[in-house]
Amino acid sequence: AQSVAQPEDQVNVAEGNPLTVKCTYSVSGNPYLFWYVQYPNRGLQFLLKYITGDNLVKGSYGFEAEFNKSQTSFHLKKPSALVSDSALYFCAVRDLGGYQKVTFGTGTKLQVIP
Amino acid sequence: SAVISQKPSRDICQRGTSLTIQCQVDSQVTMMFWYRQQPGQSLTLIATANQGSEATYESGFVIDKFPISRPNLTFSTLTVSNMSPEDSSIYLCSVVYQEFFDGYTFGSGTRLTVV
Repeated sequence: AQSVAQPEDQVNVAEGNPLTVKCTYSVSGNPYLFWYVQYPNRGLQFLLKYITGDNLVKGSYGFEAEFNKSQTSFHLKKPSALVSDSALYFCAVRDLGGYQKVTFGTGTKLQVIP
Repeated sequence: SAVISQKPSRDICQRGTSLTIQCQVDSQVTMMFWYRQQPGQSLTLIATANQGSEATYESGFVIDKFPISRPNLTFSTLTVSNMSPEDSSIYLCSVVYQEFFDGYTFGSGTRLTVV
C-alpha cells in the first residue's frame, strides 16, 4: 500500500522568508510524486512532479521540491514567500509500477504573514 | 494539459434525493477518477472510470451509492444517490492525459451541501 504523510497541519512564515512544507511517502516500488495547491473555493492546481532524474524539481510560481530517496521525503520549498502563496498544499504519490491510483496527504495550510 | 469542465459547481440538495455530476474533458483520456474531499479533509479516491467497462471502486465506496457512467473517452458522470448530510463534500473529477508530462489534472469541483 502507498501512503503520504504531511506532518504539519499548518505552516506560518513571514513574507519574504523561505518556506518549507514537509512530505514523506511510502510506496513499494519507485515513487511518482506530486505537489498540488488548493486556493479557497477552487480546485486543485498542479505545482510540480518528480519521476526520475535530478532530485531538485522546479515547478510553478517559483516553487521547487527536493526528492530524497533515503529519507523518503519530497519537501516543497520556496526561497521567498509571498502573501499570495497562502493556500492549502497537498503532497501526493503513486507507485510507478502499479495501478494508476494517486494517494494524497492530509494537506498543509500555508499562511504567509505580511 | 487537458482542460476539464465540471458541473454543477455547487448545489444544495434535500436529504434522500440524488445528484449527478458531470465531467467533460477537452481531450480523449483513458482513465478518469472521481474524488471526494470532505470538509477540512484530504482527497479520497471514490472510483476509477474506464471507458467501456465497469468503474473500479475503492474500499468503502459502492456502486449503488455512487453509480458512475463513462460513455466515451471525454465524458463521465458521478451520481450521489439517496443523499444524507454526511455526503456534503466537494466532489472532484481528475484525468491523466499525458501522464508523465502533465501529471493529473483536476476539475474545479462540485461543492455539495445536503440539508
